[in-house]
Amino acid sequence: GENVEQHPSTLSVQEGDSAVIKCTYSDSASNYFPWYKQELGKGPQLIIDIRSNVGEKKDQRIAVTLNKTAKHFSLHITETQPEDSAVYFCAGNCGRQAGTALIFGKGTTLSVSS
Amino acid sequence: SAVISQKPSRDICQRGTSLTIQCQVDSQVTMMFWYRQQPGQSLTLIATANQGSEATYESGFVIDKFPISRPNLTFSTLTVSNMSPEDSSIYLCSVGGTGDPGAFFGQGTRLTVV
Repeated sequence: GENVEQHPSTLSVQEGDSAVIKCTYSDSASNYFPWYKQELGKGPQLIIDIRSNVGEKKDQRIAVTLNKTAKHFSLHITETQPEDSAVYFCAGNCGRQAGTALIFGKGTTLSVSS
Repeated sequence: SAVISQKPSRDICQRGTSLTIQCQVDSQVTMMFWYRQQPGQSLTLIATANQGSEATYESGFVIDKFPISRPNLTFSTLTVSNMSPEDSSIYLCSVGGTGDPGAFFGQGTRLTVV
Protein backbone atom coordinates (compact mmCIF):
# COMPACT_ATOMS: atom_id res chain seq x y z
CA GLY A 1 0.00 0.00 0.00
CA GLU A 2 0.88 3.67 -0.09
CA ASN A 3 3.59 4.76 2.32
CA VAL A 4 5.02 8.16 3.19
CA GLU A 5 8.39 8.34 4.91
CA GLN A 6 9.49 11.54 6.65
CA HIS A 7 12.93 12.64 7.90
CA PRO A 8 14.28 13.77 10.24
CA SER A 9 12.05 12.98 13.22
CA THR A 10 13.55 15.90 15.16
CA LEU A 11 15.30 19.04 13.97
CA SER A 12 16.88 21.77 16.04
CA VAL A 13 18.02 25.04 14.47
CA GLN A 14 19.08 28.49 15.57
CA GLU A 15 16.80 31.41 14.90
CA GLY A 16 17.47 32.77 11.42
CA ASP A 17 18.78 29.48 10.04
CA SER A 18 16.97 27.41 7.42
CA ALA A 19 15.17 24.13 8.10
CA VAL A 20 14.56 21.36 5.59
CA ILE A 21 12.26 18.38 6.05
CA LYS A 22 12.15 15.60 3.48
CA CYS A 23 9.51 13.04 2.55
CA THR A 24 9.33 10.16 0.11
CA TYR A 25 6.26 8.35 -1.17
CA SER A 26 5.73 4.98 -2.76
CA ASP A 27 2.64 5.35 -4.99
CA SER A 28 3.64 6.97 -8.29
CA ALA A 29 -0.02 7.86 -8.95
CA SER A 30 -0.07 10.27 -5.98
CA ASN A 31 -0.58 13.85 -7.16
CA TYR A 32 -1.26 16.00 -4.09
CA PHE A 33 1.24 16.67 -1.30
CA PRO A 34 0.26 18.97 1.57
CA TRP A 35 2.32 20.00 4.59
CA TYR A 36 0.82 20.61 8.00
CA LYS A 37 2.00 22.41 11.12
CA GLN A 38 0.61 21.15 14.41
CA GLU A 39 1.05 23.07 17.62
CA LEU A 40 0.39 21.51 21.00
CA GLY A 41 -3.30 20.94 21.64
CA LYS A 42 -4.37 22.05 18.16
CA GLY A 43 -5.42 20.39 14.94
CA PRO A 44 -3.08 20.24 11.93
CA GLN A 45 -2.90 23.52 10.02
CA LEU A 46 -2.33 23.38 6.28
CA ILE A 47 0.69 25.60 5.58
CA ILE A 48 1.48 24.80 1.95
CA ASP A 49 0.68 22.17 -0.64
CA ILE A 50 1.91 21.16 -4.07
CA ARG A 51 0.35 19.25 -6.92
CA SER A 52 2.23 17.00 -9.28
CA ASN A 53 2.03 19.40 -12.21
CA VAL A 54 4.54 21.80 -10.61
CA GLY A 55 8.02 21.34 -9.20
CA GLU A 56 8.18 24.14 -6.65
CA LYS A 57 5.87 26.45 -4.76
CA LYS A 58 6.70 29.34 -2.43
CA ASP A 59 4.76 31.29 0.15
CA GLN A 60 6.88 33.90 1.93
CA ARG A 61 9.40 32.00 4.10
CA ILE A 62 8.03 28.58 3.18
CA ALA A 63 8.68 26.61 0.03
CA VAL A 64 7.99 23.08 -1.11
CA THR A 65 9.79 21.20 -3.88
CA LEU A 66 8.63 18.05 -5.63
CA ASN A 67 10.67 15.53 -7.59
CA LYS A 68 8.19 13.15 -9.23
CA THR A 69 10.87 10.96 -10.75
CA ALA A 70 12.51 10.30 -7.40
CA LYS A 71 9.14 10.39 -5.59
CA HIS A 72 10.23 12.81 -2.93
CA PHE A 73 9.19 16.26 -1.77
CA SER A 74 10.67 18.68 0.72
CA LEU A 75 9.63 21.56 2.95
CA HIS A 76 12.01 24.49 3.25
CA ILE A 77 11.62 27.14 5.93
CA THR A 78 13.97 30.11 5.70
CA GLU A 79 14.81 32.68 8.37
CA THR A 80 13.30 30.49 11.06
CA GLN A 81 11.67 32.10 14.08
CA PRO A 82 10.84 30.65 17.53
CA GLU A 83 7.15 30.59 16.58
CA ASP A 84 8.00 28.11 13.81
CA SER A 85 8.61 25.53 16.56
CA ALA A 86 5.97 22.80 16.14
CA VAL A 87 5.45 19.34 14.69
CA TYR A 88 5.36 19.27 10.90
CA PHE A 89 3.67 16.52 8.92
CA CYS A 90 3.93 15.74 5.22
CA ALA A 91 1.18 13.80 3.45
CA GLY A 92 0.27 12.33 0.09
CA ASN A 93 -3.06 11.43 -1.42
CA CYS A 94 -2.10 7.89 -2.46
CA GLY A 95 -3.19 8.18 -6.05
CA ARG A 96 -6.60 9.69 -5.43
CA GLN A 97 -7.79 13.09 -6.57
CA ALA A 98 -6.33 16.14 -4.89
CA GLY A 99 -7.87 17.05 -1.55
CA THR A 100 -9.02 13.54 -0.64
CA ALA A 101 -7.85 10.92 1.78
CA LEU A 102 -4.25 11.36 2.90
CA ILE A 103 -1.44 9.16 4.10
CA PHE A 104 0.77 10.99 6.60
CA GLY A 105 4.42 10.85 7.45
CA LYS A 106 5.39 10.30 11.07
CA GLY A 107 6.14 13.94 11.71
CA THR A 108 9.15 16.16 12.42
CA THR A 109 9.49 18.06 15.67
CA LEU A 110 11.14 21.38 14.81
CA SER A 111 12.71 23.40 17.59
CA VAL A 112 13.93 26.93 16.84
CA SER A 113 16.06 28.44 19.57
CA SER A 114 16.68 32.17 19.91
CA SER B 1 -10.64 27.56 3.23
CA ALA B 2 -13.52 25.87 5.05
CA VAL B 3 -14.15 26.48 8.75
CA ILE B 4 -14.55 23.17 10.57
CA SER B 5 -16.07 22.91 14.04
CA GLN B 6 -15.83 19.78 16.14
CA LYS B 7 -17.75 18.96 19.29
CA PRO B 8 -16.82 18.10 21.95
CA SER B 9 -13.29 19.46 22.03
CA ARG B 10 -12.40 16.97 24.74
CA ASP B 11 -14.03 14.34 26.92
CA ILE B 12 -13.21 11.79 29.57
CA CYS B 13 -15.30 8.64 29.26
CA GLN B 14 -15.76 5.41 31.13
CA ARG B 15 -14.76 2.19 29.42
CA GLY B 16 -17.63 0.36 27.80
CA THR B 17 -19.51 3.54 26.92
CA SER B 18 -19.82 5.30 23.55
CA LEU B 19 -19.10 8.84 22.45
CA THR B 20 -20.42 10.64 19.37
CA ILE B 21 -18.26 13.37 17.88
CA GLN B 22 -19.81 15.99 15.64
CA CYS B 23 -18.19 17.78 12.71
CA GLN B 24 -19.82 20.87 11.20
CA VAL B 25 -18.47 22.69 8.14
CA ASP B 26 -19.43 26.23 7.18
CA SER B 27 -19.85 25.35 3.50
CA GLN B 28 -20.88 22.35 1.43
CA VAL B 29 -17.98 20.01 0.80
CA THR B 30 -17.71 16.99 -1.41
CA MET B 31 -15.72 14.80 0.91
CA MET B 32 -15.34 14.45 4.66
CA PHE B 33 -12.90 12.20 6.48
CA TRP B 34 -12.22 11.02 9.99
CA TYR B 35 -8.70 10.49 11.33
CA ARG B 36 -7.24 9.24 14.58
CA GLN B 37 -4.06 10.57 16.15
CA GLN B 38 -2.79 8.49 19.03
CA PRO B 39 -0.64 10.25 21.65
CA GLY B 40 2.61 11.48 20.15
CA GLN B 41 1.87 9.79 16.83
CA SER B 42 0.94 10.71 13.28
CA LEU B 43 -2.55 10.76 11.78
CA THR B 44 -4.26 7.61 10.55
CA LEU B 45 -7.31 7.65 8.30
CA ILE B 46 -10.31 5.87 9.82
CA ALA B 47 -12.88 6.30 7.07
CA THR B 48 -14.36 8.45 4.34
CA ALA B 49 -17.82 9.77 5.25
CA ASN B 50 -20.01 9.49 2.15
CA GLN B 51 -23.14 11.60 1.86
CA GLY B 52 -26.19 9.42 1.43
CA SER B 53 -24.40 6.08 1.70
CA GLU B 54 -22.31 4.02 4.10
CA ALA B 55 -18.86 5.21 5.05
CA THR B 56 -15.80 3.62 3.48
CA TYR B 57 -13.49 2.22 6.15
CA GLU B 58 -9.73 1.76 6.02
CA SER B 59 -8.03 -1.47 6.92
CA GLY B 60 -8.15 -2.06 10.66
CA PHE B 61 -11.30 0.00 11.26
CA VAL B 62 -14.84 -1.41 11.24
CA ILE B 63 -18.31 0.04 11.23
CA ASP B 64 -19.41 -1.65 14.45
CA LYS B 65 -16.63 0.11 16.35
CA PHE B 66 -16.71 3.46 14.51
CA PRO B 67 -20.17 4.08 13.04
CA ILE B 68 -20.28 7.23 10.91
CA SER B 69 -23.15 9.33 9.67
CA ARG B 70 -23.18 11.96 6.89
CA PRO B 71 -26.73 13.24 6.54
CA ASN B 72 -25.80 16.23 4.35
CA LEU B 73 -22.88 18.05 2.72
CA THR B 74 -21.96 20.09 5.81
CA PHE B 75 -22.21 17.64 8.73
CA SER B 76 -20.89 14.29 9.89
CA THR B 77 -20.64 12.31 13.11
CA LEU B 78 -18.21 9.66 14.30
CA THR B 79 -19.15 7.39 17.19
CA VAL B 80 -16.50 5.54 19.16
CA SER B 81 -18.34 2.50 20.52
CA ASN B 82 -17.71 0.28 23.53
CA MET B 83 -14.61 2.29 24.41
CA SER B 84 -11.47 0.93 26.00
CA PRO B 85 -8.36 2.83 27.18
CA GLU B 86 -6.71 1.99 23.83
CA ASP B 87 -9.24 4.29 22.16
CA SER B 88 -7.74 7.29 23.95
CA SER B 89 -6.68 9.52 21.05
CA ILE B 90 -7.39 12.73 19.24
CA TYR B 91 -10.12 12.27 16.63
CA LEU B 92 -10.02 14.71 13.73
CA CYS B 93 -12.49 15.63 11.02
CA SER B 94 -11.12 16.71 7.64
CA VAL B 95 -12.70 18.05 4.48
CA GLY B 96 -11.56 18.13 0.88
CA GLY B 97 -12.56 17.20 -2.62
CA THR B 98 -12.11 17.80 -6.29
CA GLY B 99 -11.37 21.42 -7.02
CA ASP B 100 -11.01 22.34 -3.34
CA PRO B 101 -7.96 24.37 -2.42
CA GLY B 102 -6.72 21.74 -0.02
CA ALA B 103 -7.45 19.29 2.76
CA PHE B 104 -8.33 21.05 6.03
CA PHE B 105 -8.75 19.80 9.57
CA GLY B 106 -10.85 20.67 12.55
CA GLN B 107 -9.28 21.25 15.95
CA GLY B 108 -9.92 17.68 16.98
CA THR B 109 -11.61 15.91 19.87
CA ARG B 110 -9.27 14.75 22.61
CA LEU B 111 -10.73 11.56 24.08
CA THR B 112 -9.52 9.93 27.26
CA VAL B 113 -11.01 6.57 28.26
CA VAL B 114 -10.65 5.55 31.90
